[in-house]
Amino acid sequence: GQQVMQIPQYQHVQEGEDFTTYCNSSTTLSNIQWYKQRPGGHPVFLIQLVKSGEVKKQKRLTFQFGEAKKNSSLHITATQTTDVGTYFCAGPYNQGGKLIFGQGTELSVKP
Amino acid sequence: SAVISQKPSRDICQRGTSLTIQCQVDSQVTMMFWYRQQPGQSLTLIATANQGSEATYESGFVIDKFPISRPNLTFSTLTVSNMSPEDSSIYLCSVRDLRTDTQYFGPGTRLTVL
Repeated sequence: GQQVMQIPQYQHVQEGEDFTTYCNSSTTLSNIQWYKQRPGGHPVFLIQLVKSGEVKKQKRLTFQFGEAKKNSSLHITATQTTDVGTYFCAGPYNQGGKLIFGQGTELSVKP
Repeated sequence: SAVISQKPSRDICQRGTSLTIQCQVDSQVTMMFWYRQQPGQSLTLIATANQGSEATYESGFVIDKFPISRPNLTFSTLTVSNMSPEDSSIYLCSVRDLRTDTQYFGPGTRLTVL
């Protein structure tokens, strides 16, 4: 069946360092979404990418959708302690708004 | 954006009992879903809650174990039946806003089964 894989599972960085998480789908996606879950919190929608090769930025966060629409990445420049949490990518499957989530990348930032 | 509330926020239950979780949305939404997040894991879709009809369950989830109601476009319940320790998870209600094409999650219900 359709799978969404995400690496790395964990990333520990020093504050100020950059961070990247990668997402790969076994099938072509119509769109890909990114979520952030703070420790003890619930997933919060960050962004949706739709177009092949699309790049979107939110302050220090840069999101990219691959040309083949099967992979995506999230890059954070100069991490801060407020960036701590788990970042999930998710893609739609079948129809009806259902999402399949990657395993998530847990980011910890050492001040 | 849709504001979602869930009750209870957390509970500790005994094996063999059942718990009903409520999800309330502040606006009418067409698409409503229930997800499970086991400790340290990703989110897994349990079912799509359909208004006025039976929920659509994903592979590995059955109605007898996770009965779902959705009497209107702003409310749904998920029951975790005959609980075992393996059901200890966070259960999350989620809605999709078709106008903004954005998905929102409720705060979750943290369930511990002893």
